[in-house]
Amino acid sequence: EADIYQTPRYLVIGTGKKITLECSQTMGHDKMYWYQQDPGMELHLIHYSYGVNSTEKGDLSSESTVSRIRTEHFPLTLESARPSHTSQYLCASKGEYNEQYFGPGTRLTVT
Amino acid sequence: GQQVMQIPQYQHVQEGEDLTTYCNSSTTLSNIQWYKQRPGGHPVFLIQLVKSGEVKKQKRLTFQFGEAKKNSSLHITATQTTDVGTYFCAGPGDSNYQLIWGAGTKLIIKP
Repeated sequence: EADIYQTPRYLVIGTGKKITLECSQTMGHDKMYWYQQDPGMELHLIHYSYGVNSTEKGDLSSESTVSRIRTEHFPLTLESARPSHTSQYLCASKGEYNEQYFGPGTRLTVT
Repeated sequence: GQQVMQIPQYQHVQEGEDLTTYCNSSTTLSNIQWYKQRPGGHPVFLIQLVKSGEVKKQKRLTFQFGEAKKNSSLHITATQTTDVGTYFCAGPGDSNYQLIWGAGTKLIIKP
């Protein structure tokens, strides 16, 4: 099992609040990803990073932003949470052979 | 754009039955990966296939990559309750740093 961590695991927050979802990995991987996934449904790429100071938007339009100041850390921020942001957010990093290792996810509920 | 499709979306089986699920790409793939996501969990990398016609086994799971490298299958023999979950296939995107994901096949054991 890979060493990739996400906090918090669960978050219930009111509309309009600013939140940051944390993701850290200890494997030294350059490529990291954020996915949004509704329960049991397909994965949607919302952000990715090729390395420090590199961030790109994914296929799914998202009102979130990311930063990559350190290799091991890839936080995702929602400036103003809305009920439509309710979902599971999965962080992943890319291994040596293109495989992706996922963190346990953050289940976000916006009321 | 490039697409990866999985069929069926749901697979209901009795415990002990065999099943096969399929993954089809709109383009030729250099490799294909399979992941398993348990209910409430996160995707976990199972295997990567690289060669045309390649077959790999993991206990009761048999993975195959098509001769044209545009499709793949996962066959599970004698399903058990531990097999329950969603199986995703994914192939490299244009950049090779991203994955194009199928929508998954959800395996459900009939009571």
